[in-house]
Amino acid sequence: QSALTQPASVSGSPGQSITISCTGTSSDVGSYNLVSWYQQHPGKAPKLMIYEVTKRPSGVSNRFSGSKSGNTASLTISGLQAEDEADYYCCSYSGSRNFNVVFGGGTKLTVL
Amino acid sequence: EVQLVESGGGLVQPGGSLRLSCAASGFTFSSYWMSWVRRAPGKGLEWVANIKQDGSEMYYVDSVKGRFTISRDNAKNSLYLQMNSLRADDTAVYYCARWGTTWYGWFDPWGQGTLVTVSS
Repeated sequence: QSALTQPASVSGSPGQSITISCTGTSSDVGSYNLVSWYQQHPGKAPKLMIYEVTKRPSGVSNRFSGSKSGNTASLTISGLQAEDEADYYCCSYSGSRNFNVVFGGGTKLTVL
Repeated sequence: EVQLVESGGGLVQPGGSLRLSCAASGFTFSSYWMSWVRRAPGKGLEWVANIKQDGSEMYYVDSVKGRFTISRDNAKNSLYLQMNSLRADDTAVYYCARWGTTWYGWFDPWGQGTLVTVSS
């Protein structure tokens, strides 16, 4: 069981928007603005999409955005494209016991 | 271009050992914390270990404490993961990733990964 809770799957049609939630606790997501999101296509390395909750690395489309409320972080993808179909993982620093980093279980995004 | 290339994976029997390596290029290796992250078959990503720039601090996920050791050689721009007492549930693709310049950060970029299979 992963430390952060994500839906196992979400789907949407091209052009639509989807949101993936990531629920943690007051020891991780709720305490630190250190949530990041990763995209992983089959057989490929993960790619950073969002860091520090809302920031987008250079080169990542502005269709990807992040937010946080309380113990839940969210990744929103607008204007869905076929190439967005992938697994998405949230991640948070967790300071409850020394240095610790926790991931969500991952969400499979299907573009219909 | 920032690049991370892992090597050293393979098939090993339960209880055996393996040493993974990660060659870094395209950035000042000694300025960054570095990490190992793994993905077991059919499962999600799991952080394994982090090491500070000068190797003075190392941190591990509970499941590998006492069995795995992360280390680095800044002169060779290389990161290592020594894995001992391997178990079947250590089977995974292991990724090397750059963390950040301070204790807080994120994983960027990632290597392509190296597969470790623990089986008799």
